[in-house]
Parts: sequence; structure tokens; C-alpha cells
Amino acid sequence: GAGVSQSPRYKVAKRGQDVALRCDPISGHVSLFWYQQALGQGPEFLTYFQNEAQLDKSGLPSDRFFAERPEGSVSTLKIQRTQQEDSAVYLCASSFSDSSGNTIYFGEGSWLTVV
Amino acid sequence: AQSVTQLDSQVPVFEEAPVELRCNYSSSVSVYLFWYVQYPNQGLQLLLKYLSGSTLVKSINGFEAEFNKSQTSFHLRKPSVHISDTAEYFCAVSLNSGYALNFGKGTSLLVTP
Repeated sequence: GAGVSQSPRYKVAKRGQDVALRCDPISGHVSLFWYQQALGQGPEFLTYFQNEAQLDKSGLPSDRFFAERPEGSVSTLKIQRTQQEDSAVYLCASSFSDSSGNTIYFGEGSWLTVV
Repeated sequence: AQSVTQLDSQVPVFEEAPVELRCNYSSSVSVYLFWYVQYPNQGLQLLLKYLSGSTLVKSINGFEAEFNKSQTSFHLRKPSVHISDTAEYFCAVSLNSGYALNFGKGTSLLVTP
């Protein structure tokens, strides 16, 4: 597709349930990012991939969060044993190269509500 | 580490009036600066960015921002706003040796007739 595609767009999970959020970046984009945006806040960096390599996962809030991009294209963000504080919009973004200053394109986000 | 402060959480303005959305950053090294816009029920879109060169950068829809190194600011301005400019605006910074964006908390611009 023309843009970054994320699914599901909306997810309601019961506390303790595992969830998986998918991201299809723009074709050919080397860099892929995950951000977390809580209500009323700006996006917070979670993790960064260059092709299939996860180069930075410093923003992942706990070991319940795991991200992968096994073939350097589609990425999945997995949250195990979800907690209420995990409720947020999860944004995926991609960029053509790994050069700083390159335009980063965002998807519409996956809205996660943990009840 | 670098950080971004957006001083106004909400800015109400009448249609055709000028507007300024304020953004200040802190960093001990050189940075790149960005403004992103998020329309209701849509993803973040890049509005404009400063990498180097002219300190005044402009978008295609009439917004402009000026990088002021001495005041560590990157305020966004538009001389005459439209109803369609109603959206959330985020200022962001990245190190020019890095890749990840650090965002401010956002400013909600509400344009009314």
C-alpha cells in the first residue's frame, strides 16, 4: 500500500491477556519504529529496527513487551500479560533509510484498551 | 538527552486570525527539528522540518517555523488559519547523529468561525 498500515486498528484486551500488533511499513523502507502514545501525551519511543536487526529497544517499558521484524519488512509488537497501564495507541513508523533527518512516516496506530 | 516542551496544551483561535504554537527544546548537541500534525482519526503527518541552512522553513499549506538557536526554539506560525487547520500539533527533535524522534506533549489547535 501507499502508507504504513497497522492492524488491528482497535483492540480491547482483558487484563492478563497477550496481544499482538502488526505493522506493514512502506515498501522498501529500511527503518522501522514503534512508539507508544498515551492519552493526552506525545508519542514515546519504544524500539527501532534497521532491516531485521533490532538496534535499539531502550524504550520498551518492561520485559512483557517484545518486538520483531524477522524478514526486514512486517513487524509485530507483542505485549504479554497486559496491564491497564498498557492502554495506549501504538504507532508504527518507517523511513526510507537510516540517515538522521529522513522523513519518518507514521501509521494510524493501533488503539489498545486493557480492561 | 534532548527534550521538547510545548508550552500550550490548547490554543483556541478564530478563523482567519494568526496563530503561533510554541516549542522549546533542550539539547547539548546539534539537533534536527520537526513539526508533525495529527488530524482527527488520522496518523501523524510531517508538516515541516529543519535540518540545516535557512532557519525559516515553510510548509505547503501556509505554516512556517523558525529555528532560533540562541533561544532554543522552533515556534510554528500561520498568518491566517482555516477551520481545516483544527488538529493536534506535535513538535519533535532528533539528534543529527541519531534516528529516533523525541516528541513534545502536543498542542491542540481549535479554529472556530
